[in-house]
Amino acid sequence: EVQLLESGGGLVQPGGSLRLSCTASGFTFSSYAMSWVRQAPGKGLEWVSTISGSGVSTYYADSVKVRFTISRDNSKNSLYLQMNSLRAEDTAIYYCAKGSGYNYDSGMDVWGQGTSVTVSS
Amino acid sequence: DIVMTQSPDSLAVSLGERATINCKSTQSVLYSSNNKNYLAWYQQKPGQPPKLLIYWASTRESGVPDRFSGSGSGTDFTLTISSLQAEDVAVYYCQQYYTTPLTFGGGTKVDIK
Repeated sequence: EVQLLESGGGLVQPGGSLRLSCTASGFTFSSYAMSWVRQAPGKGLEWVSTISGSGVSTYYADSVKVRFTISRDNSKNSLYLQMNSLRAEDTAIYYCAKGSGYNYDSGMDVWGQGTSVTVSS
Repeated sequence: DIVMTQSPDSLAVSLGERATINCKSTQSVLYSSNNKNYLAWYQQKPGQPPKLLIYWASTRESGVPDRFSGSGSGTDFTLTISSLQAEDVAVYYCQQYYTTPLTFGGGTKVDIK
């Protein structure tokens, strides 16, 4: 069974850092793009970042560019999101999602349950 | 950026009736070299992550009931639920994956009338 399990969320002060992780199972991890998508409380879905299967290509929303870094370790079937200089507006549930193709140009066919990030003093 | 606009914001439909959700993009998401529309539809039930329903604008994901169908091309797309069931109560999102930044529509909430 294809599964994604996020971890690393929590409460952090403005300006702080957090590292999210997503562990994948049930598919050939290195063959697929992986993304982070977030959802602020009561709001819609917002794409954050995508990384290609090899990890060579990365893409970011303007709202997180420079502050967030996406990476993956294909030997560990793991996806990461390093979040620095966090702001109140980064408060959201962060979902890890598997692409149905190798790069960003495919739908997201498997989603994790999400991990909650709250940025507040 | 490609902006995705969904309409209506919400709708209430009687059980067994048709529900139609529209999605419009500010530029075409049809890739001419392969004649594919880079458009997906997702369903999100309360307290759950999104679930992929439709990709390439009209291809149903494995396991998705055939009452869900997608249509359209270029900049105008539609998700149709042919006979609404109680378990279809959810928010539905369209998303373009033609180019980055990937963008979602604002969502359409579907309820039972």
